[in-house]
Amino acid sequence: QLQLQESGPGLVKPSETLSLTCTVSGGSISSSDYYWGWIRQPPGKGLEWIGSLEWIGRMYYSGSTYYNPSLKSRVTVSVDTSKNQFFLKLSSVTAADTALYYCARHHSSSSGNNWFDPWGQGALVTVSS
Amino acid sequence: SYEVTQPPSVSVSPGQTASITCSGDKLGDKYACWYQQKPGRSPVLVIYQDTKRPSGIPERFSGSNSGNTATLTISGTQPTDEADYYCQAWDSSTACVVFGGGTTLTVL
Repeated sequence: QLQLQESGPGLVKPSETLSLTCTVSGGSISSSDYYWGWIRQPPGKGLEWIGSLEWIGRMYYSGSTYYNPSLKSRVTVSVDTSKNQFFLKLSSVTAADTALYYCARHHSSSSGNNWFDPWGQGALVTVSS
Repeated sequence: SYEVTQPPSVSVSPGQTASITCSGDKLGDKYACWYQQKPGRSPVLVIYQDTKRPSGIPERFSGSNSGNTATLTISGTQPTDEADYYCQAWDSSTACVVFGGGTTLTVL
């Protein structure tokens, strides 16, 4: 059974870069054609998609990442298949970036059919000096 | 940018049918899915591809999508179904995932 686990610092200072790791177990991150995504949820609020990385046929193309336009200038999603991990970096953070950050496998097709399943348990990141 | 809208809250009596809507321009031309999130827990997929249930999701959960509205229907609602529910779609014009604002289902 595929499982995902987020890890990283729980406290980040304003203007610095938030870095999180998602470790995938129970399956290989590169064994199938999937996307791998990040979603966040500010305390007491709804879900916001951050970005997704597409893995295609045992190769990763630097152009195969998709980001929320509202965050695109600050976000990087990358992957290390040797460690079965993918990563989130969000630069120039402010208090508005305080949230529970989830990683998830992102099922997506050219027809636009897509969903996230399963999800990690989430990592709370607080932006504060 | 594309948006989908959900009612903030829905109430239902135990054993009755709950319907949660998700509205967006020509949403029926896209695929919708639904997540259940209980307090302190990660979201769980309950419906994908408009109508399909993942393994392990009870049959009382069903979905539809037509016109401008996708609907999550819970038949014979149980107290354990009390949770926040989020719809999600994909905007192909911007290659963006879109989430609804969420609906709190109260079973009372």
